[in-house]
Amino acid sequence: AQSVTQLDSQVPVFEEAPVELRCNYSSSVSVYLFWYVQYPNQGLQLLLKYLSGSTLVKGINGFEAEFNKSQTSFHLRKPSVHISDTAEYFCAVRAAGNKLTFGGGTRVLVKP
Amino acid sequence: DARVTQTPRHKVTEMGQEVTMRCQPILGHNTVFWYRQTMMQGLELLAYFRNRAPLDDSGMPKDRFSAEMPDATLATLKIQPSEPRDSAVYFCASVDTGGNEKLFFGSGTQLSVL
Repeated sequence: AQSVTQLDSQVPVFEEAPVELRCNYSSSVSVYLFWYVQYPNQGLQLLLKYLSGSTLVKGINGFEAEFNKSQTSFHLRKPSVHISDTAEYFCAVRAAGNKLTFGGGTRVLVKP
Repeated sequence: DARVTQTPRHKVTEMGQEVTMRCQPILGHNTVFWYRQTMMQGLELLAYFRNRAPLDDSGMPKDRFSAEMPDATLATLKIQPSEPRDSAVYFCASVDTGGNEKLFFGSGTQLSVL
């Protein structure tokens, strides 16, 4: 079985400040890792994914995430946020052939 | 752009009524998921299909929920009878597991059971 923990349910941050959203997972096998974003009243969109290769993954809108196998983490970062980054962010994990499991989500509120 | 289409976008119904939600996955995607999103539980996986066959529906209350894929272009989620605790946003998503692993979500069905 696999599980995903997002340690922060809410992260307030000022515009142009950096943000880091934490994600830890547990799985007995190799996994694929994802970050999704959900803007208000919309479905989820893929921000970035790690399947293999370089552990630093760059996604859309200036986000990046680093896969750390020893710490079983996949933290999401952005060096400078905009008001438009206000959304809920979900970390997700999928083992090959298995279902996609989501974390509980982190709500990011960007303040001017 | 290819997209997952869900209907209806909003549904208000009375307790005890049947609710049917529909999803048209992206053409060529072989796996379809149904998720439910609530404030308390977050995103819960209800069921998923691969090549139209149900693989896992353990997240679904079996006595009232049913999910089917009558063909490759249509997935349905039915609730009968509906209850107020079923009020949530229901998302359908599809992916080609032999491709780039990118899951596409529909815009969701906002269900309110009064």
